[in-house]
Amino acid sequence: SSELTQDPVVSVALGQTVRITCQGDSLRSYYASWYQQKPGQAPVLVIYGKNNRPSGIPDRFSGSSSGNTASLTITGAQAEDEADYYCNSRDSSGDHLRVFGGGTKLTVL
Amino acid sequence: QVQLQESVPGLVKPSETLSLTCAVSGGSISSSHWWNWVRQPPGKGLEWIGEIYHSGISNYNPSLKSRVTISLDKSKNQFSLKLTSVTAADTAVYYCARGEAYSSGWLFPYFDCWGQGTLVTVSS
Repeated sequence: SSELTQDPVVSVALGQTVRITCQGDSLRSYYASWYQQKPGQAPVLVIYGKNNRPSGIPDRFSGSSSGNTASLTITGAQAEDEADYYCNSRDSSGDHLRVFGGGTKLTVL
Repeated sequence: QVQLQESVPGLVKPSETLSLTCAVSGGSISSSHWWNWVRQPPGKGLEWIGEIYHSGISNYNPSLKSRVTISLDKSKNQFSLKLTSVTAADTAVYYCARGEAYSSGWLFPYFDCWGQGTLVTVSS
């Protein structure tokens, strides 16, 4: 089991806004990073820190955090955003170990 | 631009040791970053295995700690993973990934560069 909990499946209509969430006690202390993974490909970092996007990531991707929940928001979802999304942060053990959420499969309708 | 490339061991027999290396190009493994291993069983999610810093500091997933060793070879600019006593449950795509700078502290963990991944199958 993961210390970070994600909804397994989320869907969004083309062009609409969707929020993917990640919950865990450790998120009160650490920020989450977010990864997009398409079939047969390595994960790609899309959001890190407070709300930072690596070069090349569209500005429709944004991140936020409140309490024990981190969120990835896609504003104006595109067909190419259909993918699995994973959050990552540190665990709550105090040893600063890394942990992934279980992942969310995003379907763009 | 930093690029990571995993070696390709392919098939490993049960109870044996899985060994992988990650070659780093376009940057130095002695830079101020964490170097990580992550795996993904077929059809499942990502699992963090462990990390190492160029000073030799390492951290491991508690669920794998007793079987895992991550090491550095600065002369070859690569880092390695050894996982002992493998079973079918260790069948997965294994990725190497660069973590954030050590100097950035604990608050903002992320992996900004990934290898393409290599499938390791445990089977007799």
